[in-house]
Amino acid sequence: AQSVTQLGSHVSVSEGALVLLRCNYSSSVPPYLFWYVQYPNQGLQLLLKYTTGATLVKGINGFEAEFKKSETSFHLTKPSAHMSDAAEYFCAVSLSGANSKLTFGKGITLSVRP
Amino acid sequence: DTEVTQTPKHLVMGMTNKKSLKCEQHMGHRAMYWYKQKAKKPPELMFVYSYEKLSINESVPSRFSPECPNSSLLNLHLHALQPEDSALYLCASSDLDKAENTEAFFGQGTRLTVV
Repeated sequence: AQSVTQLGSHVSVSEGALVLLRCNYSSSVPPYLFWYVQYPNQGLQLLLKYTTGATLVKGINGFEAEFKKSETSFHLTKPSAHMSDAAEYFCAVSLSGANSKLTFGKGITLSVRP
Repeated sequence: DTEVTQTPKHLVMGMTNKKSLKCEQHMGHRAMYWYKQKAKKPPELMFVYSYEKLSINESVPSRFSPECPNSSLLNLHLHALQPEDSALYLCASSDLDKAENTEAFFGQGTRLTVV
């Protein structure tokens, strides 16, 4: 079985500040890891994913995440927050590629102060 | 085309009504999913179809009935719902042919209110 832990429910940063959203996973086999973003009343949009290979993954909108097996972590970062980054962020894990169950963390709300 | 299209965007139905949610994708994906999302919660998997066959049913009540008429379409038939079934229903699809293309593409969702 797999699980995802996203600590905290809300992160607030100033515009231009570093964004760090934490994600820790539990998996009995090498996981596939994802970060999704959800704007109000919208579906989920993939920010980035880790499957195999390079552990530093770059995504859309300037976000990146690093897979650290020893720490079972996949934290999301962005060097400089923009007002448009305010949204709900979900970390998710699946055990294998195709047709596998996506297990989501509880999500974290990012607020950006002007 | 990287879109998953869901209709309708909003739906209000009574507890005795029968309605259907529709989902369509033209990315050639052979896996399609229904998720349910309550406010301030993560999406919860309901059903998975692989190659048009139901492969996962997460113990969903029978008042929810999925259907996959072909590789591009996914329906969710609703009957005798309860107010607690009010939620955002999300459809998603993913590629089954390449393990590295494992991410799910989500539609915008149908906001369902049961009255």
